Amino acid sequence: EAGVVQSPRYKIIEKKQPVAFWCNPISGHNTLYWYLQNLGQGPELLIRYENEEAVDDSQLPKDRFSAERLKGVDSTLKIQPAELGDSAVYLCASKNRDREETQYFGPGTRLLVL
Amino acid sequence: AQSVTQLGSHVSVSEGALVLLRCNYSSSVPPYLFWYVQYPNQGLQLLLKYTTGATLVKGINGFEAEFKKSETSFHLTKPSAHMSDAAEYFCAVSLLPNDMRFGAGTRLTVKP
Repeated sequence: EAGVVQSPRYKIIEKKQPVAFWCNPISGHNTLYWYLQNLGQGPELLIRYENEEAVDDSQLPKDRFSAERLKGVDSTLKIQPAELGDSAVYLCASKNRDREETQYFGPGTRLLVL
Repeated sequence: AQSVTQLGSHVSVSEGALVLLRCNYSSSVPPYLFWYVQYPNQGLQLLLKYTTGATLVKGINGFEAEFKKSETSFHLTKPSAHMSDAAEYFCAVSLLPNDMRFGAGTRLTVKP
């Protein structure tokens, strides 16, 4: 079974530029999460999807961050414009809502904003 | 709301020594508890989890953890450290199926 796929793995941009991250969850997983992981810290939830619906986006900074999961499968997280403080690892995770409580994580996208 | 505290941001042990990584949680009801491991430049991989039943949980790579309700703890142990165990370890707590809170992590270093 393929795991959670994320791309790109690394991204370097200048501040004020836009950036997008892509995630493809494990096949059949209804629930998809985007997390932010700052250096030396644990992941913090940004947004959670159940199929195509964003059911928890309370921690997503909506002035510059947006996300979509149009067909309830893969998802894109966007930042526009990026700020220096956005430098971090962006993790995607997925879960089979009906079967278990374990979240499965992708390798993450490491963003550096210069 | 639930929270989790990992005592010690950095733990160093010698190869073959006992590994003990500490995790305490705060929750008004019995939570689900997890330990994840993160190797450099990789995502988080589940080591083990406690949901219900037996309080001593065995995971992958020889790790185990014991849920102690009276101490609100879920410490991670391994009898004998291996060089390949060097990584970042995260404890996480979940009250609701989709509300997982992570600790700040403990970096484990294994000395030869």
